[in-house]
Amino acid sequence: ETGVTQSPTHLIKTRGQQVTLRCSSQSGHNTVSWYQQALGQGPQFIFQYYREEENGRGNFPPRFSGLQFPNYSSELNVNALELDDSALYLCAYRSALTGNTIYFGEGSWLTVV
Amino acid sequence: AQSVTQLGSHVSVSEGALVLLRCNYSSSVPPYLFWYVQYPNQGLQLLLKYTSAATLVKGINGFEAEFKKSETSFHLTKPSAHMSDAAEYFCAVSLVGGSNYKLTFGKGTLLTVNP
Repeated sequence: ETGVTQSPTHLIKTRGQQVTLRCSSQSGHNTVSWYQQALGQGPQFIFQYYREEENGRGNFPPRFSGLQFPNYSSELNVNALELDDSALYLCAYRSALTGNTIYFGEGSWLTVV
Repeated sequence: AQSVTQLGSHVSVSEGALVLLRCNYSSSVPPYLFWYVQYPNQGLQLLLKYTSAATLVKGINGFEAEFKKSETSFHLTKPSAHMSDAAEYFCAVSLVGGSNYKLTFGKGTLLTVNP
């Protein structure tokens, strides 16, 4: 049990639509990051938020955007969905109490049709 | 830039046999190294991590890994495989220090345990 909660667990969207995925941590850890894991691949870093500001981004287009709220919960938004966006989206929180340990949620499965 | 190479996309062992999953990393600065396990249709669970302390790291479920700087390796081992160890295993690297905790993952190794 990592204490990281993601919603929804599964969803299906149509190409061109927009999606919002949500994540929260029970312990209020202040650094949250998002990863995309395509089928059969390792997770790929999308971006990271620290104290409500983006402070690191991977090789993803601007239609991938995020938010972090004062309670440290976070959203991942993807606009103009493409078929290749179908993947497992993982949220992760860094625990300051255990150094650089990063704990992952169970993920949100997105299928774009 | 950092990178991780996991040798062998699929490893098959018999129950009770030694498990060895290989990971080599590339990093221009001292790294932190991690092994995560992913069971079917689940998220990632941390097995163990190396953060510049002891080079032999012990994790959960009887797994351990040894950091070898000269070989840029961080191989994962378990003396005796159990059926419940069947899963996908990911090696990951991140930089030491700073405020960016980006993890760079390998492509994963699927471990199959045969009865």
